[in-house]
Amino acid sequence: GQQVMQIPQYQHVQEGEDFTTYCNSSTTLSNIQWYKQRPGGHPVFLIQLVKSGEVKKQKRLTFQFGEAKKNSSLHITATQTTDVGTYFCAGVQASNTGKLIFGQGTTLQVKP
Amino acid sequence: ETGVTQTPRHLVMGMTNKKSLKCEQHLGHNAMYWYKQSAKKPLELMFVYNFKEQTENNSVPSRFSPECPNSSHLFLHLHTLQPEDSALYLCASSQDPTGGALGEKLFFGSGTQLSVL
Repeated sequence: GQQVMQIPQYQHVQEGEDFTTYCNSSTTLSNIQWYKQRPGGHPVFLIQLVKSGEVKKQKRLTFQFGEAKKNSSLHITATQTTDVGTYFCAGVQASNTGKLIFGQGTTLQVKP
Repeated sequence: ETGVTQTPRHLVMGMTNKKSLKCEQHLGHNAMYWYKQSAKKPLELMFVYNFKEQTENNSVPSRFSPECPNSSHLFLHLHTLQPEDSALYLCASSQDPTGGALGEKLFFGSGTQLSVL
């Protein structure tokens, strides 16, 4: 079945450093979503990418969808302590199973 | 607040107990979901309801029994659970079921942290 893999599983950075998490699917995706879950909290929707090669920015966050629509990345520039949490990607298989499949998430720790 | 309310926030139960988790969404959405979140595992989809009809049961054991009386309310009835069922149970809703080409974003509740002793 479809799998969505995320790396790394954990990342510790010094405040001010950049951070990137990568998401890879075994199958072509029709779209990909990103969620953030703060410690003790619940996942909150960040963004959705639909088009091949699409790039979207939200302040210090840059999201990319690969040309083949099988991978995606989230890059945070100059991390802050408020960026701490787990970032999940979630994709819908293009062959239409109707399911949103979540990656395992990347947990980001930021040292002040 | 996301507009999705879950109760209780925490639940401790024995393996012979019967309990229910409740979810209510105030967003006018048509689809509701139960997800299980265990440590070091991806979010696992358990059940999907669309217009209060169950459209997905992701091979969930029968000790978990969902109920969706209307599009705004969703329950998860628990009976004779096992310690490995301890996890965060998240309810979510979306305007329409996920899976369309344009996708539907999920709005999650705060979850119920369940411990089975």
